Amino acid sequence: GQQVMQIPQYQHVQEGEDFTTYCNSSTTLSNIQWYKQRPGGHPVFLIQLVKSGEVKKQKRLTFQFGEAKKNSSLHITATQTTDVGTYFCAGHDTNSKLTFGKGITLSVRP
Amino acid sequence: KAGVTQTPRYLIKTRGQQVTLSCSPISGHRSVSWYQQTPGQGLQFLFEYFSETQRNKGNFPGRFSGRQFSNSRSEMNVSTLELGDSALYLCASSWGGGAFYEQYFGPGTRLTVT
Repeated sequence: GQQVMQIPQYQHVQEGEDFTTYCNSSTTLSNIQWYKQRPGGHPVFLIQLVKSGEVKKQKRLTFQFGEAKKNSSLHITATQTTDVGTYFCAGHDTNSKLTFGKGITLSVRP
Repeated sequence: KAGVTQTPRYLIKTRGQQVTLSCSPISGHRSVSWYQQTPGQGLQFLFEYFSETQRNKGNFPGRFSGRQFSNSRSEMNVSTLELGDSALYLCASSWGGGAFYEQYFGPGTRLTVT
């Protein structure tokens, strides 16, 4: 079945540093969604990418969908303590089944 | 607009028992999906319901079942509980079923099986 991989599972950065994480799928995706889960909370939708090579920005967050629609990246510029949490990518396969990656937990040292 | 609600929030059960969890989606949302979240496996898709029909099913044993009512509210049932079923069960609703619709998650039900 479809696999969506996020490696590593944990990353620690100093406040103010940039952060980039990647998401890779074993199959071509219809779209990719990113979610953020704060400690003790539930996943919250951040963004959806649909087109090959699409780039979207939300303030300090930049999301990109790969040309082959099999990978995606999230880049955070100048991390802040409010960025702490687990970031999940999730992709839909041709059967419209949503598969989540295991997520990357970001910690930010003030 | 009220968010997704899940009841109960916490549950402790014994091995072999069965449990029913409930989810009320955002008003107007017709799709409800269920996920199991554990530290080791992350978020795993259980099933999706749209207009009372199961659209998709994940790779879970038949002990896990669900249903959706005409008002879009959904329940999931786990029979013959095992220790490994201890997890956070998340429900998510979306306006439409399938791809391209963002999902709104509820706070989850924390199930502990002893």
